[in-house]
Amino acid sequence: DQQVKQNSPSLSVQEGRISILNCDYTNSMFDYFLWYKKYPAEGPTFLISISSIKDKNEDGRFTVFLNKSAKHLSLHIVPSQPGDSAVYFCAVGDGTSYGKLTFGQGTILTVHP
Amino acid sequence: GAGVSQSPSNKVTEKGKDVELRCDPISGHTALYWYRQSLGQGLEFLIYFQGNSAPDKSGLPSDRFSAERTGGSVSTLTIQRTQQEDSAVYLCASSLYRGNQPQHFGDGTRLSIL
Repeated sequence: DQQVKQNSPSLSVQEGRISILNCDYTNSMFDYFLWYKKYPAEGPTFLISISSIKDKNEDGRFTVFLNKSAKHLSLHIVPSQPGDSAVYFCAVGDGTSYGKLTFGQGTILTVHP
Repeated sequence: GAGVSQSPSNKVTEKGKDVELRCDPISGHTALYWYRQSLGQGLEFLIYFQGNSAPDKSGLPSDRFSAERTGGSVSTLTIQRTQQEDSAVYLCASSLYRGNQPQHFGDGTRLSIL
């Protein structure tokens, strides 16, 4: 019973184009949403977050969109760069779980030069 | 360094042995979490510490797993009588306080049970 799903195991994008990574969740109690990037043999690195009171948060090339009615989260990377190639995890939290995060399975992003 | 530090980075041991994994969180962070990532899977929550409060152990998969956090800082995760299914990357994270805060991860300990 996966509460957080990243349905695309992989995504391939040309350098300079937009990368769109998607995440769906099932529990409407989730109120905090994050994206992490992970390189091989390293821990996940925090990228960007959004709380349930907002529908968009932007940080440089990274924008996170939240559609609460659809229980859908997405990460846009514009423009994509080869150094963005990594595994991307979405994570969700709710205020009753004291910060415990539930993670998706991850999407492997490959940005081709 | 200023990040979360974990040791050892790799551990290979025989089935049935006990292992101890260490995590040194970011200075000043009061919340500490353990997760594990099995091959091809997402991160799975194990246990959470917040200050001097009782830990949330709801994610520990069996009573062979235990964790301590001494003095509100360094934490150790102990796995007794290891099994092959315990093979995974064990990740530690810390955050400034509990609740909706970004968690910052160490590079993990890759545990292999032979």
